[in-house]
Amino acid sequence: SAVISQKPSRDICQRGTSLTIQCQVDSQVTMMFWYRQQPGQSLTLIATANQGSEATYESGFVIDKFPISRPNLTFSTLTVSNMSPEDSSIYLCSVLSRGETQYFGPGTRLLVL
Amino acid sequence: AQKITQTQPGMFVQEKEAVTLDCTYDTSDPSYGLFWYKQPSSGEMIFLIYQGSYDQQNATEGRYSLNFQKARKSANLVISASQLGDSAMYFCAMREGRINKFYFGSGTKLNVKP
Repeated sequence: SAVISQKPSRDICQRGTSLTIQCQVDSQVTMMFWYRQQPGQSLTLIATANQGSEATYESGFVIDKFPISRPNLTFSTLTVSNMSPEDSSIYLCSVLSRGETQYFGPGTRLLVL
Repeated sequence: AQKITQTQPGMFVQEKEAVTLDCTYDTSDPSYGLFWYKQPSSGEMIFLIYQGSYDQQNATEGRYSLNFQKARKSANLVISASQLGDSAMYFCAMREGRINKFYFGSGTKLNVKP
């Protein structure tokens, strides 16, 4: 399975600021995704990160709030912009590997004060 | 309708005993995949086991097995010989057809008692 790393692993931020989360995979993958997991909740898909083109966002998520880049097949970033306490969550990147199975990075714990 | 339903918010099991975590799914697509993930308090999502809709046999991975009952649309996870390290949240997920979208259940928090 792919080995996925995320940076930072956790952060505490002030409201109104932005944070960029990095996701690095040890092999080239076609599909990369970003999820949010609010406290005590299940996972919610934010967007699919497309290599060389704009990300595909799910309903309720917009590019201005969650800009995503994917410059190549092994790397992606998610920015959480103009943060509010409601953005406090775990943010997870994931990839499809071996065609069927989704593997996740270790996650980024974000607390917004 | 919910795509994935996990009806057990929390479960307790004695160490070394077996436990079954329930999952039902809803799809009209004949081709789908079912997954179980473990999320310890650290927050990472760990892939445990996969079952394809056309697989004839129930999937097994070490102490994990998936009790796949297609007619009932259920995909229960069975953990044998529970260990203290099994204490975590467990999520059931489904991928429909060739769509690259996964649906997750609400999760079950498992506590293993010594």
